Amino acid sequence: EAQVTQNPRYLITVTGKKLTVTCSQNMNHEYMSWYRQDPGLGLRQIYYSMNVEVTDKGDVPEGYKVSRKEKRNFPLILESPSPNQTSLYFCASSFTGGHREQYFGPGTRLTVT
Amino acid sequence: AQSVTQPDIHITVSEGASLELRCNYSYGATPYLFWYVQSPGQGLQLLLKYFSGDTLVQGIKGFEAEFKRSQSSFNLRKPSVHWSDAAEYFCAVGANTGNQFYFGTGTSLTVIP
Repeated sequence: EAQVTQNPRYLITVTGKKLTVTCSQNMNHEYMSWYRQDPGLGLRQIYYSMNVEVTDKGDVPEGYKVSRKEKRNFPLILESPSPNQTSLYFCASSFTGGHREQYFGPGTRLTVT
Repeated sequence: AQSVTQPDIHITVSEGASLELRCNYSYGATPYLFWYVQSPGQGLQLLLKYFSGDTLVQGIKGFEAEFKRSQSSFNLRKPSVHWSDAAEYFCAVGANTGNQFYFGTGTSLTVIP
């Protein structure tokens, strides 16, 4: 089944404790992206990647890191999480480019206390 | 810069009534436009998309949308709403340069019997 998977689905952590949210797709997509969803703000793009070893900032990259060492994986790293990063996070992928249809993962709800 | 505006934060309609959700975008060139739906606790599912050609596009679940360049709009419509359509709806625009993707803030739809 073609899909985007994220782990974990739910995470509660404390300020400053490094964490990684994994994202994997099995559709051989070149483009992958991370979004955060906050009430009243919709989804905002954090980082995106056009292909292996090619990443770029979205609208809200501060406090986040990403890497793309393999085509199928695009982990999101919070090196020192803060409470303002409490949010619902979505990973997405598409065949090529952000202007094409994106397929979304199920989301990761992160709480930073 | 690109942007997407969904002026209606929340809409309530009766089951069987028609529906129109508004979306306005700001983009310098021909945009790639999308409508996504998010059911409670779920990820995002693509309803329909517009890349070029016929300005009236059909999507899944009986939805359609019309691209009006003169009004910079891409409104979503459905002639008869079902209770299962209750969800959050997001309009989005993709850039054919820069590879970023922009979402509106969403419209929450309530369907009453």
